[in-house]
Amino acid sequence: QVHLVQSASEVKQTGASVKVSCKASGYNFDTYGISWVRQAPRQGLQWMGWISVHNGNRHYAQNVQGRINLTTDISTSTAYMELRGLRSDDTAVYYCARAKVPSSVIHYWGQGTLVTVSS
Amino acid sequence: QSVLTQPPSVSGAPGQRVSISCTGSSSNIGAGYNVHWYQHVPGAAPKVLIYDNTNRPSGVPDRFSGSKSDTSASLAITGLQPEDEADYYCQSYDSTLSASVFGGGTKVTVL
Repeated sequence: QVHLVQSASEVKQTGASVKVSCKASGYNFDTYGISWVRQAPRQGLQWMGWISVHNGNRHYAQNVQGRINLTTDISTSTAYMELRGLRSDDTAVYYCARAKVPSSVIHYWGQGTLVTVSS
Repeated sequence: QSVLTQPPSVSGAPGQRVSISCTGSSSNIGAGYNVHWYQHVPGAAPKVLIYDNTNRPSGVPDRFSGSKSDTSASLAITGLQPEDEADYYCQSYDSTLSASVFGGGTKVTVL
């Protein structure tokens, strides 16, 4: 069965960067893309971006464009989300999720990674 | 503020029917992009209830149903049960933003 296992929680200082990993198993990694979604405390779900594992094509949400970088490593079936210039409002649970294309439904999600940004 | 608008909360007694609206525009739902619905319980990953407007994944009770018309979509829950208390989100794609978007979320309370 499909599993997406994310890296552990992180605490970062304002202005720093964070890189969250997402290891996939149970399917052919390069036949789907990976979306990233976050939820800040007491806020709703926010789509951050999507990457095609097959060709590296990326789509980013406007509010993180310029600070986010999505990458994948096919050899280890792992996707990465790097967010730079962290601010306090980046404190959130970050989810990776399997998605064929950006508009696709998400059937499989990672367990979530809490990133806390403190000054 | 999301481009997909949902009511912040809805409530109903056990056994009742509730409906959650998701209002978009001509650049997302009205442009023909599919709408998906998720149930999110705090501490767990979201779970898909409806995909591609009206389809229900295996294992999702038929108490949950979805519809779409023009620039809006709806999720209906019939025979409301205590375990349905959660947050619900719609998702679609927006061509102006070139991005997937979620609604702001609706908290369902079972009275």
